[in-house]
Amino acid sequence: DGGITQSPKYLFRKEGQNVTLSCEQNLNHDAMYWYRQDPGQGLRLIYYSQIVNDFQKGDIAEGYSVSREKKESFPLTVTSAQKNPTAFYLCANPTGPVANQPQHFGDGTRLSIL
Amino acid sequence: GQQVMQIPQYQHVQEGEDFTTYCNSSTTLSNIQWYKQRPGGHPVFLIQLVKSGEVKKQKRLTFQFGEAKKNSSLHITATQTTDVGTYFCAGLSNSGYALNFGKGTSLLVTP
Repeated sequence: DGGITQSPKYLFRKEGQNVTLSCEQNLNHDAMYWYRQDPGQGLRLIYYSQIVNDFQKGDIAEGYSVSREKKESFPLTVTSAQKNPTAFYLCANPTGPVANQPQHFGDGTRLSIL
Repeated sequence: GQQVMQIPQYQHVQEGEDFTTYCNSSTTLSNIQWYKQRPGGHPVFLIQLVKSGEVKKQKRLTFQFGEAKKNSSLHITATQTTDVGTYFCAGLSNSGYALNFGKGTSLLVTP
């Protein structure tokens, strides 16, 4: 879908390695979110950011880090502390100015362990 | 904290049969959203319900929001193979800044 671009589509991580997933948006929206999806688990919130230079932990933030230096970008780093990183990672932002507006998702990044 | 529960987890139907998935929240929701995720794809927004007792239709899909705003359902009439996917409901979390998603109902439709 237009507006949110995630890269790469597939990513492989070695033991002890940090990897960074990219999320870029051209919608000029303030809020951005990162979700993790595992089979049968639905979507779980990792981190979210309501405004540049500010972000909050979600339900499963341990082993992850984020930054929000620019409005357009909200990269997610999966650190070596995350022992079970294999999952589908989705970046999203609301379609409107408030958080309970419908979410618009990127195409996602599938991360696997080598 | 608030939880959003969905049932069933899986549903397998023959093409032409009806399908319903149910969503229940432990707390009152300000609104509820429904998403569809095709296999290998990302969730796509379907609809948002806001008012108590609200019913909305999209062709063969009917969405309902309970009177107490704690439950919702999605009903598909005469399923088609294009309906295959996982359907998620989502409600605003207690923080007010994010959505809580149900675990989804995976629908398989065989011709």
